[in-house]
Amino acid sequence: GAVVSQHPSWVICKSGTSVKIECRSLDFQATTMFWYRQFPKQSLMLMATSNEGSKATYEQGVEKDKFLINHASLTLSTLTVTSAHPEDSSFYICSARDLRGQGISYNSPLHFGNGTRLTVT
Amino acid sequence: QKEVEQDPGPLSVPEGAIVSLNCTYSNSAFQYFMWYRQYSRKGPELLMYTYSSGNKEDGRFTAQVDKSSKYISLFIRDSQPSDSATYLCAMSEKGAAGNKLTFGGGTRVLVKP
Repeated sequence: GAVVSQHPSWVICKSGTSVKIECRSLDFQATTMFWYRQFPKQSLMLMATSNEGSKATYEQGVEKDKFLINHASLTLSTLTVTSAHPEDSSFYICSARDLRGQGISYNSPLHFGNGTRLTVT
Repeated sequence: QKEVEQDPGPLSVPEGAIVSLNCTYSNSAFQYFMWYRQYSRKGPELLMYTYSSGNKEDGRFTAQVDKSSKYISLFIRDSQPSDSATYLCAMSEKGAAGNKLTFGGGTRVLVKP
């Protein structure tokens, strides 16, 4: 099956610093990747859609200058949390859509990485 | 009111029992329905994927979609302790908007040996 790798799996940083999270599709190319955020015992909330070679599309209420997304290749998207604060502490998960063998495009199922637990002290 | 409602649980069942999970939704434009399993501190893992109304079976898992009632279900037969996890329903619209998944809050399931 499709594999989405996310790194690091956990990170602790000091308030005011920036943290970069990587999301890679290991055995398929992903023109689109998605970044989600999940608070404890809550569901996943879509933050932004990352498009290869173009600007990311952010959901309402998500600060694009704080959560920088770069999708430089068909297998890599990065999320940088800039000037992190304790309220940014959360579980960040990326996902990608594997279109191989799929007769439909937009609505093929998503595969998720294992997430990155960010703790800002 | 949330777009997708899901009982948070926890749902505790003995090993071997049938686990019954469900979600209700309000957006009639949803066409694609998914169930994900999420273990603690892990990303969601796709279990079932269905389009429009109907049933789909895969091993011990059966997914049902009733679009007229805006209600979807997941049944897990012969449950095992390894099935203990949080189960998330997710759905999307057709077309370009289908890129976005809307998730339920998840139901925590505990299968006791």
